[in-house]
Amino acid sequence: LAKTTQPVSMDSYEGQEVNITCSHNNIATNDYITWYQQFPSQGPRFIIQGYKTKVTNEVASLFIPADRKSSTLSLPRVSLSDTAVYYCLVAPNSNSGYALNFGKGTSLLVTP
Amino acid sequence: DAMVIQNPRYQVTQFGKPVTLSCSQTLNHNVMYWYQQKSSQAPKLLFHYYDKDFNNEADTPDNFQSRRPNTSFCFLDIRSPGLGDAAMYLCATSRDAGGEQFFGPGTRLTVL
Repeated sequence: LAKTTQPVSMDSYEGQEVNITCSHNNIATNDYITWYQQFPSQGPRFIIQGYKTKVTNEVASLFIPADRKSSTLSLPRVSLSDTAVYYCLVAPNSNSGYALNFGKGTSLLVTP
Repeated sequence: DAMVIQNPRYQVTQFGKPVTLSCSQTLNHNVMYWYQQKSSQAPKLLFHYYDKDFNNEADTPDNFQSRRPNTSFCFLDIRSPGLGDAAMYLCATSRDAGGEQFFGPGTRLTVL
């Protein structure tokens, strides 16, 4: 089972780009990397998912190096409302006896 | 709107008194998950269903049981709640295993 490691917390100012890196050294061949955002007293919300190289959507980019042992979530021009906990999750995209392990998450604080 | 609904949002029970939390989905997803999240911790997967196939995490206490009578509904039964079971319980669904998960708002359980 791929275990993930993330920074406990990060601080940023509004308008800056924020990059959160997740380490997953024992990622398996059929594992995908998924990031979720969670606000207090709410369920996590999907941000982005990728397998290799780079994935971009309307809210974030996900960079995955060739060895896939880490990944970086990039949030462009953060705002105060991006203050939340961000979780990296590594799981296979198949029902072949897997477990979904949320990492401990990175608490991002965005200030004016 | 299609969504994941959890009832009740807040549940208070007494030590040792059985309690049932419910989750329903209008997404027609194959997979339904139950997570436990304690304060300032990451969500911890308790079990999940792929269709009718039940998958129990190895460290999920026997005190926790689940039922999925049909595609739309899933229940979490706590047979004898202890003080340590006080937490937010999150239900999530995904179309396929490992895919994007859609979370409900959670049920906050208080054990007196």
